[in-house]
Amino acid sequence: GESVGLHLPTLSVQEGDNSIINCAYSNSASDYFIWYKQESGKGPQFIIDIRSNMDKRQGQRVTVLLNKTVKHLSLQIAATQPGDSAVYFCAEKTRTGGSYIPTFGRGTSLIVHP
Amino acid sequence: DAGVTQSPTHLIKTRGQQVTLRCSPKSGHDTVSWYQQALGQGPQFIFQYYEEEERQRGNFPDRFSGHQFPNYSSELNVNALLLGDSALYLCASSLNRALNQPQHFGDGTRLSIL
Repeated sequence: GESVGLHLPTLSVQEGDNSIINCAYSNSASDYFIWYKQESGKGPQFIIDIRSNMDKRQGQRVTVLLNKTVKHLSLQIAATQPGDSAVYFCAEKTRTGGSYIPTFGRGTSLIVHP
Repeated sequence: DAGVTQSPTHLIKTRGQQVTLRCSPKSGHDTVSWYQQALGQGPQFIFQYYEEEERQRGNFPDRFSGHQFPNYSSELNVNALLLGDSALYLCASSLNRALNQPQHFGDGTRLSIL
């Protein structure tokens, strides 16, 4: 979920379990939401996105849920694998001038134990 | 098909110096954005270049400047470096500035200021 304090929120799961990572976004006018995965020493990698006129979207092993009423976004990972261990960021895109600029949350660290 | 490439991967500078970071976008992409990512934080938007012009800018001082070349590659320049400029600098590219174009990130340049 969103960060408090100095430490990155952490979710620890066992291999094979389902994982749910939560994110609270700030701007009710945001049009588009994205989940990124960032492994150590790498740049963020696109996982899945969802437009504000949808409430659910599924990908391969991942599902994103959007609740605009409470400004909440979640990423569900099915059958979590050790390779899923990374920091996960949600980002919201809002129209600024002629562009859509993403604003990133602080991220959640997912640790998958074999 | 090469993704986003950044150079150098690591850089050490001292306070007051100037630095130039480089980015080549993913093939076919024409828009480049730069982000600063402090340790344990999400990426913070610096600015975006499209058609060789700065189109949007985040909350960063004028010490941060950039350029986009006709081949869509880009540079980020930072003058009068401060200790607080130590961070991972990420470049992301996309096809135009449209809403639903996910950005592809490079692996960043790790800048350390002594």
